[in-house]
Amino acid sequence: DGGITQSPKYLFRKEGQNVTLSCEQNLNHDAMYWYRQDPGQGLRLIYYSQIVNDFQKGDIAEGYSVSREKKESFPLTVTSAQKNPTAFYLCASSVTSGRDEQFFGPGTRLTVL
Amino acid sequence: GENVEQHPSTLSVQEGDSAVIKCTYSDSASNYFPWYKQELGKGPQLIIDIRSNVGEKKDQRIAVTLNKTAKHFSLHITETQPEDSAVYFCAASKTWRGNEKLTFGTGTRLTIIP
Repeated sequence: DGGITQSPKYLFRKEGQNVTLSCEQNLNHDAMYWYRQDPGQGLRLIYYSQIVNDFQKGDIAEGYSVSREKKESFPLTVTSAQKNPTAFYLCASSVTSGRDEQFFGPGTRLTVL
Repeated sequence: GENVEQHPSTLSVQEGDSAVIKCTYSDSASNYFPWYKQELGKGPQLIIDIRSNVGEKKDQRIAVTLNKTAKHFSLHITETQPEDSAVYFCAASKTWRGNEKLTFGTGTRLTIIP
């Protein structure tokens, strides 16, 4: 089955610790995205990557970092500099060259205690 | 940047009735308008989308209309069923280096009353 996987589904961390969220896709998509979802709000773009070894900041990149060393993987690190890290994090991917649909993973709920 | 407003935030309809969710966007250059459905604890899933060169698109019980002049678009669900209960998000984007950078609305929680 092709798709996007995110792990773990639930993640707990102590305040001040960095944490890395996993996102893997086997759809052979070039583009990948990270969104943050808070209650009552839409999805906000954190980082995106069009191609391996390239990524760009989204609307709320402060306190986050990413890497894109492999086409199928786009991990997100939530650093201690992120002031309100508790949220639902969604990873997505899409084909390049004008194809539009973004396919989303099941999400990771991060709770910082 | 683009700003997308979505109304209502919650909507309850009787099973079998129709539901309408409306969105407005600010950037007249936006040319792609998808609608996503998100079930509890899951990621959003595309249910229908429309481009700016089309005024209406229909897929079975779901339709989307677009008014470019007024910069608003709407999702219409007819003959609603319990499985339509979910959170629905609209989004808008314009071509950006070959990929679509989506700006989402704040979501509508739709509840179908049996």
